[in-house]
Amino acid sequence: EAQVTQNPRYLITVTGKKLTVTCSQNMNHEYMSWYRQDPGLGLRQIYYSMNVEVTDKGDVPEGYKVSRKEKRNFPLILESPSPNQTSLYFCASSLGSYVSNQPQHFGDGTRLSIL
Amino acid sequence: AQSVSQHNHHVILSEAASLELGCNYSYGGTVNLFWYVQYPGQHLQLLLKYFSGDPLVKGIKGFEAEFIKSKFSFNLRKPSVQWSDTAEYFCAAHRERDYKLSFGAGTTVTVRA
Repeated sequence: EAQVTQNPRYLITVTGKKLTVTCSQNMNHEYMSWYRQDPGLGLRQIYYSMNVEVTDKGDVPEGYKVSRKEKRNFPLILESPSPNQTSLYFCASSLGSYVSNQPQHFGDGTRLSIL
Repeated sequence: AQSVSQHNHHVILSEAASLELGCNYSYGGTVNLFWYVQYPGQHLQLLLKYFSGDPLVKGIKGFEAEFIKSKFSFNLRKPSVQWSDTAEYFCAAHRERDYKLSFGAGTTVTVRA
């Protein structure tokens, strides 16, 4: 089954404790992306990756890091989380090395609470 | 400035009523447009997309959208809603061959039985 898998689904942690949210897709997609969803703001893109070892900032990259060492994985790293990063995070992937007319496939989301 | 704007934050209507959600984008040139739906507690799912051809696009679950280039709009419609259409709806757009996909802030639709 084609899917985008995120882990963990829920996490409560404290300010400053490094965390990683994993994202894996099994569709051999080149393009992967991370979004955060906040009430009244919709989805905002954090980082995206056009292919292995190729990543770039989205609209809200501050406080986040990503890596793309393998095609299927695109982890989101919060080196020193802060309360304003409390949000619902979605990973997505799509065919092609840039956003095309192919729709993005979304993961089930990760709800992060930073105390 | 937001690249994609949705007119309504929250829409409440009764079953069998007609629904129309507004979406405007601010890009020039060729754009690809999408409507996604997010049911409570679930991830986003694609309702429909437009990239070329007939400006009236039909999607799943009886939804359709009309691309009006002169108005930079891509409004979503459904003639008769059901209680199960209660969800949040997101419009999204990107310029062709761009790396970024921009979403609107979303419209929450509540359908009363």
